Amino acid sequence: DTEVTQTPKHLVMGMTNKKSLKCEQHMGHRAMYWYKQKAKKPPELMFVYSYEKLSINESVPSRFSPECPNSSLLNLHLHALQPEDSALYLCASSRQGENSPLHFGNGTRLTVT
Amino acid sequence: DQQVKQNSPSLSVQEGRISILNCDYTNSMFDYFLWYKKYPAEGPTFLISISSIKDKNEDGRFTVFLNKSAKHLSLHIVPSQPGDSAVYFCAASAGTGRRALTFGSGTRLQVQP
Repeated sequence: DTEVTQTPKHLVMGMTNKKSLKCEQHMGHRAMYWYKQKAKKPPELMFVYSYEKLSINESVPSRFSPECPNSSLLNLHLHALQPEDSALYLCASSRQGENSPLHFGNGTRLTVT
Repeated sequence: DQQVKQNSPSLSVQEGRISILNCDYTNSMFDYFLWYKKYPAEGPTFLISISSIKDKNEDGRFTVFLNKSAKHLSLHIVPSQPGDSAVYFCAASAGTGRRALTFGSGTRLQVQP
């Protein structure tokens, strides 16, 4: 069982839809991350939140909008996506400070039609 | 430019034998290295890590070796078990202010019974 919970597990959306991916952790971690993974590729960093503030945005298009309502929750709001945005979206969390591994959820498999 | 490289896309070993997975990196600023294991339809699971001040870290059947001069690390699994069959990702991070990980492309390990 993963300690990082992501919902939904699967999502199919049209290019004009608005949807949100949700992530929750109760390990007291103050750093949270969104990664994107395409088939047969490694996870690629999208966003990092540190103490509920956005600290890294890896030049992600504005159709992806992250939000961190509190220290346990991380959302990714999706709007006007393209078919090439179809991927596995992974949430992770870690302790702040040095040498702390990231703990990943099982991801949301997103298909944009 | 891939900063973390896993040059072997796949590896097959017999149950009970040693599995050796290799990883090379190019960024001299990397100071923390991790191995993750990933099953299909699940997120990456943290296995073992090593900081740049060490050259070896062991946890049960898993040992990670770091050769900083060669910018190379390896994961040894001994003895290998069929349940170890998965995709293994090497990952690295740099500096205290940024703990986001850069992943290699993964090696698919198959352990034959």
